[in-house]
Amino acid sequence: QLQLQESGPGLVRPSATLSLTCTVSGVSLNTETYYWSWIRQAPGKPMEFIASILSTGSTFYSPSLQSRVTISADMSKNQFSLKLSSVTATDSAVYYCARRGIAAAGSPVFDAFDLWGQGTLVTVSS
Amino acid sequence: QSVLTQTPSVSGTPGQRVSISCTGSTSNIGAGYDVHWYQHLPGTAPKLLIFGNTNRPSGVSDRFSGSQSGTSASLAITGLRAEDEADYYCQTYDISLRDWVFGGGTKVTVL
Repeated sequence: QLQLQESGPGLVRPSATLSLTCTVSGVSLNTETYYWSWIRQAPGKPMEFIASILSTGSTFYSPSLQSRVTISADMSKNQFSLKLSSVTATDSAVYYCARRGIAAAGSPVFDAFDLWGQGTLVTVSS
Repeated sequence: QSVLTQTPSVSGTPGQRVSISCTGSTSNIGAGYDVHWYQHLPGTAPKLLIFGNTNRPSGVSDRFSGSQSGTSASLAITGLRAEDEADYYCQTYDISLRDWVFGGGTKVTVL
C-alpha cells in the first residue's frame, strides 16, 4: 500500500533545529519520475512548499526558506528528511511530506503532488 | 496571503453544482503553468483531485472537473454529496517567485 508517514518531535524550542522524517511505504524512493517533498501549513495560512529531493540527490528549495532548510534522503531506509534551523513561532505548522511528479520525466500526474502523508503538527515554543 | 486567490467558502445542497475559482496572475496560471487541485479533510492526507488543469487521477469521481482560462482556473463539483464537504486547494508554479504556490483554500459546505 502506497503510504507516506511523517515522524518527529511535536514541540521544538525557539532557535533550535526542527527535524522531521518521512517514511515511504509501497514505492521506492529510487525513481527519477518523482521528487520527494516537504510542504507545511501554518494556522490560517496557505500551504507552503518547503523543499524537494530527487533520488539523484538533486534538490529544490523554496527561495523564502532555503537559507534555513536542508532536505536529504536515505535510499536504504526509503526515508527522506527535513531540517529547518533557527526556528521561531512562525514555523509552527502542520508539516506534510509528499511526492511530486516530474512532467519532463513522464510522470503520469505531470508535476502535481499526488501522494501525501497525513501531516504532523510541530509547535515552536519554549 | 497567497498569490492564488480562492473564495474562502462555498455551499450547496445535495445534488447541486458548485464551482470554486482560483485567480492567479501572468507569472503563474497566465504563464501557462498547470493548475492542480486537492481535496483535504483536516487530519487526513490531502488528495489530488485534478492535475494539469483538467485531468482526473484514476479513482477520482467524474463529478469533479477542472478548467483553466487566462489567469484563472476553476474546479466544479456536480451532484454535490455530503462526503464532498472538505477544503479544496489550487496549486501551481510561479515563475517570478520561483516557487510552488498554493491557494488559500475554499471550504465547501453541504447544507
